[in-house]
Amino acid sequence: EVQLLESGGGLVQPGGSLRLSCAASGFTFSTYAMTWVRQAPGTGLEWVSSISDSGDHTYYGDSVKGRFTISRDNSKNTLFLQMNFLRAEDTALYYCAKAYTSDWYTCFDSWGQGTLVTVSS
Amino acid sequence: DIVMTQTPLSLSVTPGQPASISCKSSQSLQKSDGRTFLYWYLQKPGQPPQLLIHDVSYRFSRVPDRFSGSGSGTDFTLIISRVEAEDVGTYYCMQSLHLYSFGQGTKLEIK
Repeated sequence: EVQLLESGGGLVQPGGSLRLSCAASGFTFSTYAMTWVRQAPGTGLEWVSSISDSGDHTYYGDSVKGRFTISRDNSKNTLFLQMNFLRAEDTALYYCAKAYTSDWYTCFDSWGQGTLVTVSS
Repeated sequence: DIVMTQTPLSLSVTPGQPASISCKSSQSLQKSDGRTFLYWYLQKPGQPPQLLIHDVSYRFSRVPDRFSGSGSGTDFTLIISRVEAEDVGTYYCMQSLHLYSFGQGTKLEIK
């Protein structure tokens, strides 16, 4: 059974940093692209960032480009999201999600429960 | 960027009745090889999204056959043939032709 467990969320001041982690199990982590999606309180889903299976290719949404960095450690089956220069509008529940297939043009078939990031002074 | 627009934004349905949600993309979601990259998710209250439909019309594993997807190009539809109480939640369409983007969501409630 696929399991994705996010951690690292919390309360941080504007301009601060946080590093989110997503521990994966139940599948061959190194053969699937991974993604972060966030959901601000009471709102819809926003794609944040994706990384290829090898980690060689990374992609970011316009709202986080230049501030967030996605990475992965395939030896530890873990996905990361380094978030710098945080803003109030980054406040959200952050989900990690697994690609459905090995094709890049695919959706996400498994999601974690999310980790809450709150940016406030 | 591809913008996804869902209608309606909310829906109230009597159990046993059908429901239909529309999703329109700002550009065609069909790739040159003929594949179309449109998906449907359901987010039940307090839960992460769950995949319902992939590649326009293919039900994901263990998704009941009362859910069906259709469409092409820029216009897509999710139909629930007979709504049940467990179908309550917010439905999202998503595209993956150019990176990823979601519709605003359609909240389904039971009358």
